[in-house]
Amino acid sequence: DTGVSQDPRHKITKRGQNVTFRCDPISEHNRLYWYRQTLGQGPEFLTYFQNEAQLEKSRLLSDRFSAERPKGSFSTLEIQRTEQGDSAMYLCASTRFLDRADTQYFGPGTRLTVL
Amino acid sequence: GNSVTQMEGPVTLSEEAFLTINCTYTATGYPSLFWYVQYPGEGLQLLLKATKADDKGSNKGFEATYRKETTSFHLEKGSVQVSDSAVYFCALKVDNTDKLIFGTGTRLQVFP
Repeated sequence: DTGVSQDPRHKITKRGQNVTFRCDPISEHNRLYWYRQTLGQGPEFLTYFQNEAQLEKSRLLSDRFSAERPKGSFSTLEIQRTEQGDSAMYLCASTRFLDRADTQYFGPGTRLTVL
Repeated sequence: GNSVTQMEGPVTLSEEAFLTINCTYTATGYPSLFWYVQYPGEGLQLLLKATKADDKGSNKGFEATYRKETTSFHLEKGSVQVSDSAVYFCALKVDNTDKLIFGTGTRLQVFP
């Protein structure tokens, strides 16, 4: 396994701009998750997919956020009209879901800074 | 609701000291419990897990026991090394959802 990869690793943008992040899960992993982590806090769940279906979305995911996994492989997370409060580390994780305690493998994250 | 509470850090220890990082949880049903570790400049990695009461997870000299009666999952290591310096996150997952719920993390600093 090559691990979960995320691109870009860092993104600096101005308030009001749109940004898109990409996550490539471990090959053969059917579930993919997005989390957000702010400084000094633990990761907070945003959304997850099984194959291409989005199964759950957090109330943290406002209308400005959209996530897709069109072919059940990589996923994108788009933030429209960014705000300074969106500054955070965005983490992606994947798992081959077999039972309730399956390990979620995390990528290195994309650090977003909104100026 | 479901939540995890961890002791605040940083925890500062000398090499070979005994480590305990406290974690308690609130959850409906019977959650699975996890400890994740984040080394400087790296992503989150699973350290250990336990899926039912009285289970003990262990890895790399770390241990944690799922205590239903005290709703706790404290992390312990008998002799820490400088290389254990990292942020440790306790997390749970409940049966009716696949999302992890994390605590705020505890930074461990080990000095030679």
